[in-house]
Amino acid sequence: GQQLNQSPQSMFIQEGEDVSMNCTSSSIFNTWLWYKQEPGEGPVLLIALYKAGELTSNGRLTAQFGITRKDSFLNISASIPSDVGIYFCAGQTSGSRLTFGEGTQLTVNP
Amino acid sequence: GAGVSQSPSNKVTEKGKDVELRCDPISGHTALYWYRQSLGQGLEFLIYFQGNSAPDKSGLPSDRFSAERTGGSVSTLTIQRTQQEDSAVYLCASRLLGLAGRKYEQFFGPGTRLTVL
Repeated sequence: GQQLNQSPQSMFIQEGEDVSMNCTSSSIFNTWLWYKQEPGEGPVLLIALYKAGELTSNGRLTAQFGITRKDSFLNISASIPSDVGIYFCAGQTSGSRLTFGEGTQLTVNP
Repeated sequence: GAGVSQSPSNKVTEKGKDVELRCDPISGHTALYWYRQSLGQGLEFLIYFQGNSAPDKSGLPSDRFSAERTGGSVSTLTIQRTQQEDSAVYLCASRLLGLAGRKYEQFFGPGTRLTVL
């Protein structure tokens, strides 16, 4: 089946630093999404990407849909303590199921 | 409520017992999904409902797992004869089809943490 490889698995950074994480896939997706999950909560959508090559920003977050449709990255600029959480990429082809990466655990030291 | 709700929030059961997990989707959302999240892992798709029918149940790991949805609203995920490897967080999501500009957004509930002793 489809698999997403997400890296890094964890990051420990200082407040104010920029962060980058990415996902790669062995197969093509039509949509890439980035979610954030905090303890005891379900994932919350941060950014959705619908077209190959698309670059989208949401505040300090920027994500791109790779031109090959097999990868995506998420950047967070000027990190703050509330950015702490687990970030997941997810891909979707036709049909409705989402395929998730294994997550990037982000820790921000004040 | 405004969001997806799930109950119970935590469930501890003994191996071999049956459990039922409930999901109340956002009102009016026709699509409903169940996912499973094991410790430190990403979400694993289980089943998708369109209305009351399940066009994709390919993620259910065994015939001990079943789900139903009634009235196009509430869904129940049932696990029979639970095993320790069933321990995980079970997440439900719902989606409003055709929402312009956000057609793929799935809104997630907080999950049910299942522990099988």
